[in-house]
Amino acid sequence: KAGVTQTPRYLIKTRGQQVTLSCSPISGHRSVSWYQQTPGQGLQFLFEYFSETQRNKGNFPGRFSGRQFSNSRSEMNVSTLELGDSALYLCASSLPVGGGRNEQYFGPGTRLTVT
Amino acid sequence: GENVEQHPSTLSVQEGDSAVIKCTYSDSASNYFPWYKQELGKGPQLIIDIRSNVGEKKDQRIAVTLNKTAKHFSLHITETQPEDSAVYFCAASGGYQKVTFGTGTKLQVIP
Repeated sequence: KAGVTQTPRYLIKTRGQQVTLSCSPISGHRSVSWYQQTPGQGLQFLFEYFSETQRNKGNFPGRFSGRQFSNSRSEMNVSTLELGDSALYLCASSLPVGGGRNEQYFGPGTRLTVT
Repeated sequence: GENVEQHPSTLSVQEGDSAVIKCTYSDSASNYFPWYKQELGKGPQLIIDIRSNVGEKKDQRIAVTLNKTAKHFSLHITETQPEDSAVYFCAASGGYQKVTFGTGTKLQVIP
């Protein structure tokens, strides 16, 4: 079974621009969560989507948004990029259709650099 | 909200020795405690988890213990090997898929 895939793997953007990151969960998984990882703040929860609805949200400004499609694929968007948005953005999928354990499986991440 | 503290931040052990990483959490409603291993350039990988109705769980060389009263949980790795070198994260979750992570422990196993 294929794992979680994230595209692109690396991205360089300029301050003020916006960016869209994509995540394809493990086949059959219904929940997608997004995390930001930085050396200073560690792993921080951004938001979680389940059945195309945002169920949970972390403490990030409104510039960070996301959505989930009917096939469970998810995108996150960051508008008006700031230098501090440079980070590794991780996506995790969980909750297989039909039930089962709810552990999260992470993708390799998208490394975003804002200059 | 939940707060997870993790110690130590770095840990060096000789190959074959044991390694212990400790975490505390603040929210008594948390009931799921996963541990992740992250290697350079990769996303975190779930290595073991424990739920609040269990005090200890073991999987080969890895074990996790949970003390709900004290809000402590620990990861124990025995007979460490060089391939165990990585950053380890503890985490706590009380519901849905919102997981609060510890700050990470960089484990170095010296051959």
